[in-house]
Amino acid sequence: EDQVTQSPEALRLQEGESSSLNCSYTVSGLRGLFWYRQDPGKGPEFLFTLYSAGEEKEKERLKATLTKKESFLHITAPKPEDSATYLCAVLGYGNNRLAFGKGNQVVVIP
Amino acid sequence: DGGITQSPKYLFRKEGQNVTLSCEQNLNHDAMYWYRQDPGQGLRLIYYSQIVNDFQKGDIAEGYSVSREKKESFPLTVTSAQKNPTAFYLCASSGTPGTDFNYGYTFGSGTRLTVV
Repeated sequence: EDQVTQSPEALRLQEGESSSLNCSYTVSGLRGLFWYRQDPGKGPEFLFTLYSAGEEKEKERLKATLTKKESFLHITAPKPEDSATYLCAVLGYGNNRLAFGKGNQVVVIP
Repeated sequence: DGGITQSPKYLFRKEGQNVTLSCEQNLNHDAMYWYRQDPGQGLRLIYYSQIVNDFQKGDIAEGYSVSREKKESFPLTVTSAQKNPTAFYLCASSGTPGTDFNYGYTFGSGTRLTVV
């Protein structure tokens, strides 16, 4: 069974204080790892897909990286508008649906 | 614009009532999913469907029912047998892994159900 563990569960950052979120996974052959952003009371929005170890993707202040066991979402010089819950999910070859972690709740204080 | 629409945004249910949550997509996706989200518990899968007229139970299907009569639609009924239905419900859709799965799932904006 594919499993995803995200840490830390919650994180408070000062504006401009860079940090990283961790997504550890176990999967029987990785087909893809996905990051989503969810604002309170809204549905998750797609951020990135990573397919193989060593791959990196960037969008504004966010950068996602992937190893064979984990992914990191780096937030560089965050702003209050980066406050959200970030969800990580994996798709393994032995499955046909995503396995989600519980999320990293990030609050950026002005 | 293609997307996935959930309605209503807010729903109130009296004790003993069945209520139906709507989910419609125009992305031509084969698969659709229903999740329940409670604080601190992440997304929990209720039901999913990979093709019209077929669906499977997820991890917490008790007290819920679904139908998939059209590719575009996947309504969820919360029955009176669901003892704790107050939650945020999310519908999602996706293409088929290996052919159309670059973005994983596309989610709707959610329905917040409250028992009164």
